[in-house]
Amino acid sequence: DTAVSQTPKYLVTQMGNDKSIKCEQNLGHDTMYWYKQDSKKFLKIMFSYNNKELIINETVPNRFSPKSPDKAHLNLHINSLELGDSAVYFCASSRLPGGAGYEQYFGPGTRLTVT
Amino acid sequence: SQQGEEDPQALSIQEGENATMNCSYKTSINNLQWYRQNSGRGLVHLILIRSNEREKHSGRLRVTLDTSKKSSSLLITASRAADTASYFCATDGLNNNAGNMLTFGGGTRLMVKP
Repeated sequence: DTAVSQTPKYLVTQMGNDKSIKCEQNLGHDTMYWYKQDSKKFLKIMFSYNNKELIINETVPNRFSPKSPDKAHLNLHINSLELGDSAVYFCASSRLPGGAGYEQYFGPGTRLTVT
Repeated sequence: SQQGEEDPQALSIQEGENATMNCSYKTSINNLQWYRQNSGRGLVHLILIRSNEREKHSGRLRVTLDTSKKSSSLLITASRAADTASYFCATDGLNNNAGNMLTFGGGTRLMVKP
C-alpha cells in the first residue's frame, strides 16, 4: 500500500496555464506538507497543514494555493505558471507538527516542466 | 540560505568501503534527521537524533551530533551498490514559527561502485 501518493507523476504544460497536483496519505497523519526541489536538488518547504489548517506558508507566491479538503489530502493549485516553477514537487506527511521530531513520509514527487 | 549544508557534495567509493557525510547547520535545533533519496524517488527517513543525544546507530548507519560545533555526520559502513543515492540532513529548529518545519541541506550524492 502506498503511504503518500501524488498525481500526476509528470506534468508538462505551457506558461500561463493553471494546473493542480493532488496528494493523498493513508497513514492517518495530521500534518501534510508541500516541498519544492529545484534542479540542484535543494529541497524547500512551501506549505504545511495541520488538521486541514495552514500552519506554514514560506514566502511562496500567491499563485500557489494549497487546499486541504480533509486530513488525508493536500492538493496544490498553481495559477499562471512560469518557467521558474519547473521543479519536482513533493508532498509529505507526519504524525504531528511540533518540535518533538516526527519523521516525514514523502510521496514519489511530481516533475513539473513549464515550457 | 540553507540551514543544513552537507559535505562533500559528491562522494564515490567502492563497495565494502565506508562512506562518511557531514552536515553543518547554523541555528539551535530540537533534532536532526537524515534522509535518503534514490534517483527519481521521494525522500526516505533514515534516522533521527535529538539535540541531547550524541550518537545513534541503526543497522549499518551511525549518526553523530555535536551541538557545540553545530554539525552532524552520517557513516554508512560496508557500503553496497544499493546505497547509491543522495543523502540529506534536515534540521528541526527551535525557533520555527510553527514547529516541525524541517530545513534541508543540499545533499551529498553518494555513488557506490560494485
